[in-house]
Amino acid sequence: KQEVTQIPAALSVPEGENLVLNCSFTDSAIYNLQWFRQDPGKGLTSLLLIQSSQREQTSGRLNASLDKSSGRSTLYIAASQPGDSATYLCAVGAYYTGANSKLTFGKGITLSVRP
Amino acid sequence: GAGVSQSPRYKVAKRGQDVALRCDPISGHVSLFWYQQALGQGPEFLTYFQNEAQLDKSGLPSDRFFAERPEGSVSTLKIQRTQQEDSAVYLCASSLARTDGEAFFGQGTRLTVV
Repeated sequence: KQEVTQIPAALSVPEGENLVLNCSFTDSAIYNLQWFRQDPGKGLTSLLLIQSSQREQTSGRLNASLDKSSGRSTLYIAASQPGDSATYLCAVGAYYTGANSKLTFGKGITLSVRP
Repeated sequence: GAGVSQSPRYKVAKRGQDVALRCDPISGHVSLFWYQQALGQGPEFLTYFQNEAQLDKSGLPSDRFFAERPEGSVSTLKIQRTQQEDSAVYLCASSLARTDGEAFFGQGTRLTVV
């Protein structure tokens, strides 16, 4: 059974700092990996999707990497801003019927960026 | 529509009541997932539809939980005889059946059983 771990559970940094959020998973036979952002009381916003054959994806100030063999992914946030404050969830996708993926989530990292 | 839409956003039910939660997926998305997110936890898989067929219901916690998608579009998650442990946010996600498998989530329905 796939298990996804995100440590630490919470992180507080000053504005402008570059930071790395870590995600580890136990089963390397994955289909894809998604990073999501969740604001309090809201749903999930997809940030980046990495296919199992890819090593990294970039979108603006965000960069996600994937190392399947070691069961790790990182989300790098450059020049953090107070608006980046949210919970960041890592989700590992197992291959599913019809080229979909069934997601197993970590518990998330709650990030607070101090002005 | 532009995104996945869920209703109601909030639901308070008395213990023992039946509830129905609605999900409108992105138009054209054949795949639909329901997840349950308890407070302070990550979402957990409940069930999966491909068009109108429910292909996986292995995550439904008890036979009080029932989901349907009769016309392959809108889906309803029904919980009968609600219990306090059913209190959670229920998230719906849809995706195209294409190679990247990216899932798009709705805002969720927060269910509180009192």
